Amino acid sequence: DGGITQSPKYLFRKEGQNVTLSCEQNLNHDAMYWYRQDPGQGLRLIYYSQIVNDFQKGDIAEGYSVSREKKESFPLTVTSAQKNPTAFYLCASSYDGQVSYGYTFGSGTRLTVV
Amino acid sequence: QKEVEQNSGPLSVPEGAIASLNCTYSDRGSQSFFWYRQYSGKSPELIMSIYSNGDKEDGRFTAQLNKASQYVSLLIRDSQPSDSATYLCAVYTGGFKTIFGAGTRLFVKA
Repeated sequence: DGGITQSPKYLFRKEGQNVTLSCEQNLNHDAMYWYRQDPGQGLRLIYYSQIVNDFQKGDIAEGYSVSREKKESFPLTVTSAQKNPTAFYLCASSYDGQVSYGYTFGSGTRLTVV
Repeated sequence: QKEVEQNSGPLSVPEGAIASLNCTYSDRGSQSFFWYRQYSGKSPELIMSIYSNGDKEDGRFTAQLNKASQYVSLLIRDSQPSDSATYLCAVYTGGFKTIFGAGTRLFVKA
């Protein structure tokens, strides 16, 4: 079945540590996105990518980095510069770059700072 | 700043009733409108999309759009306990920009 796979499901980060969240899709979607969800808030866009080897900052990119070396993969690195990383991270993809058909989301990664 | 507003709830309805969820948005240039359902601890799932004024029905779900009033709603008929979830309204404003509301929690009492 086609879909988006995020791993790990739960991740614990120590202070000053970089961690990488994996996102893989087999939907043949061109566009991929990373969102962050905090309790009581709407989803906030971290980064997005329209095509391979190209990505753009979203509203809250500081402290995060991404790469898009393959169409299927869009990993997110949470760096030590992100001071409040505890959140639910969602990877999404869309068929067309204009997002007019809505998103397919992965199952999410819950990141906790310990 | 472009915004999408939803009542956080919880909205509580008895089983079999109609649940009405509402959303307002600030950007008049918005092009596409979506409703996502999110169960606790899970990721959002797209359940409805609407692009033009009027109603769009899909099974027990009806989405309503009024661009003049900048208002979009979701009706759930014959509500079931399995409909208990948070419903996110999302608005595509163009240029890879989709804005999500914070969601309305729905509780359907058996």
